Amino acid sequence: KAGVTQTPRYLIKTRGQQVTLSCSPISGHRSVSWYQQTPGQGLQFLFEYFSETQRNKGNFPGRFSGRQFSNSRSEMNVSTLELGDSALYLCASSLSWADYGYTFGSGTRLTVV
Amino acid sequence: TQLLEQSPQFLSIQEGENLTVYCNSSSVFSSLQWYRQEPGEGPVLLVTVVTGGEVKKLKRLTFQFGDARKDSSLHITAAQPGDTGLYLCAGADNEGAQKLVFGQGTRLTINP
Repeated sequence: KAGVTQTPRYLIKTRGQQVTLSCSPISGHRSVSWYQQTPGQGLQFLFEYFSETQRNKGNFPGRFSGRQFSNSRSEMNVSTLELGDSALYLCASSLSWADYGYTFGSGTRLTVV
Repeated sequence: TQLLEQSPQFLSIQEGENLTVYCNSSSVFSSLQWYRQEPGEGPVLLVTVVTGGEVKKLKRLTFQFGDARKDSSLHITAAQPGDTGLYLCAGADNEGAQKLVFGQGTRLTINP
């Protein structure tokens, strides 16, 4: 079966711009989470959506936002990009956390210049 | 703020040797997961441990969850070059919470 699909794989943006990243979860998975991975901070939780509702949010500024659609696909948006936003953004989906854990996508590598 | 500390951060050993990676915290986690990540890819789940004292084996990999559910270890027996990668531990702070706290990772290199 298809895995978690993230698009685009690579992105280069200029400081001050905004960006939208997309994530298509495994079919049937209703929970989608987003993580930021950087060499200095490692993997940090951004937010989690379940049935179009944000259930959990990490400690990131309001420039980071997301949403989930009725088909469980999710998008995250970063406005007013800063150099420090350069990172690998990972999306993960799950059916039942306790039994199956997360399946991560390959990520979107965002570079802000 | 919950933190997970992994050690060592880097480990380079010869093929055939054994190794252990540790994941420690002062906080209690309802469960803990181990992932392996290859360059340019997302983490891949290896195992989830949920019961204090639980031990799970996956071929040459043995995972243990501490009795107090504050720490975990990953032991690899007879390491092979294919085991090379970034190993990450991640803890969940309460049941059903879709929010994981990740350790910084252990970058493992197995030399032929």
